[in-house]
Amino acid sequence: AQKVTQAQTEISVVEKEDVTLDCVYETRDTTYYLFWYKQPPSGELVFLIRRNSFDEQNEISGRYSWNFQKSTSSFNFTITASQVVDSAVYFCALSESADTGRRALTFGSGTRLQVQP
Amino acid sequence: DAGVIQSPRHEVTEMGQEVTLRCKPISGHNSLFWYRQTMMRGLELLIYFNNNVPIDDSGMPEDRFSAKMPNASFSTLKIQPSEPRDSAVYFCASTQTVTNQPQHFGDGTRLSIL
Repeated sequence: AQKVTQAQTEISVVEKEDVTLDCVYETRDTTYYLFWYKQPPSGELVFLIRRNSFDEQNEISGRYSWNFQKSTSSFNFTITASQVVDSAVYFCALSESADTGRRALTFGSGTRLQVQP
Repeated sequence: DAGVIQSPRHEVTEMGQEVTLRCKPISGHNSLFWYRQTMMRGLELLIYFNNNVPIDDSGMPEDRFSAKMPNASFSTLKIQPSEPRDSAVYFCASTQTVTNQPQHFGDGTRLSIL
């Protein structure tokens, strides 16, 4: 069975600080996909990134960066120079290979990020 | 492009009543998912369809819950009879079958059962 753990329930930082959100996953599949979604106070779920298990290259998108380490089963998310608008709940999620016929997402419990002005 | 459309956005009803939640996936997407979000259990899959056929309904809590997808552009999630513990935010998401494309979520239906 697959599992996603986000050990940090809530993080509070001051604007312009860097912050890293941790994600650890478990799966028996050799092919899988990892995702990050953002849920702002308005409630919608916004897709941020998807990585497949064969691509361990780190990714940067503006102030966002992701560090995928298969050896430690982690897919961490860093926000550089945080802003108040980054305040949200962030979810890490896992999807098994399409070969298993199961493409639904297993979500972590989320990390609430509060960025204070 | 229109995203996933869910209706209603909010629903308040008394226990015992039938509740129907609706979802219109993104045009061209052939996989549709229903998730439920609660404080206690977080985000969990209820059921998902591929090409209008239910593939995995193992997350459906009990027989009071049912879901249908009569065509590629419409799905319903029905609760009958509703109970206070069904209060949650229900999300619909859609994607193309092509290998694990990101799921696009609707804005959710906030359901309150009194």
